Amino acid sequence: DAGITQSPRHKVTETGTPVTLRCHQTENHRYMYWYRQDPGHGLRLIHYSYGVKDTDKGEVSDGYSVSRSKTEDFLLTLESATSSQTSVYFCAISEGQGALHFGNGTRLTVT
Amino acid sequence: LAKTTQPISMDSYEGQEVNITCSHNNIATNDYITWYQQFPSQGPRFIIQGYKTKVTNEVASLFIPADRKSSTLSLPRVSLSDTAVYYCLVGYTGRRALTFGSGTRLQVQP
Repeated sequence: DAGITQSPRHKVTETGTPVTLRCHQTENHRYMYWYRQDPGHGLRLIHYSYGVKDTDKGEVSDGYSVSRSKTEDFLLTLESATSSQTSVYFCAISEGQGALHFGNGTRLTVT
Repeated sequence: LAKTTQPISMDSYEGQEVNITCSHNNIATNDYITWYQQFPSQGPRFIIQGYKTKVTNEVASLFIPADRKSSTLSLPRVSLSDTAVYYCLVGYTGRRALTFGSGTRLQVQP
């Protein structure tokens, strides 16, 4: 979908371990976003990027960090995973005007 | 940031027209209004976007009044496959967060 690849698609990890999720785009879009979605809930913004090395916090950024060293890659890191971070993580890209295109998501389980 | 309010859920029957309204009283001048559809276990999918008046594409229409404080997504003749969650997003991509509201869960019955 819209040249966005999220990896891994599924991951199970233990509490306290670091985890990195990757979002790769082939569209050369400037803006990239990480959202999480919990069962029965809407999308909550974790971090976003408006260019290489330019990132900012969203609604639920505690416990997460991001990096964007190249236009095409936006990495989300859980520094020390907790069970409350069990969720589905969606990456989105945009070229402007608020129109987002989403990846297929990464389902993360923290045991 | 423009906060949005939508009905939590709606029910309809196949073949009917469905209108979902979103309130966004503090919309900013540069903000666009974008609607997304989400099926279970999938990422949201772009449906339609507008700035003012009316926009129509092959799947939906979007009505925006002159004051832009609300918008209505219109789905003509819905089918079972339109059962999904619909999100209204108000904002403008830039050095700004784009945050979603709670969405509207549409259930289409046969």
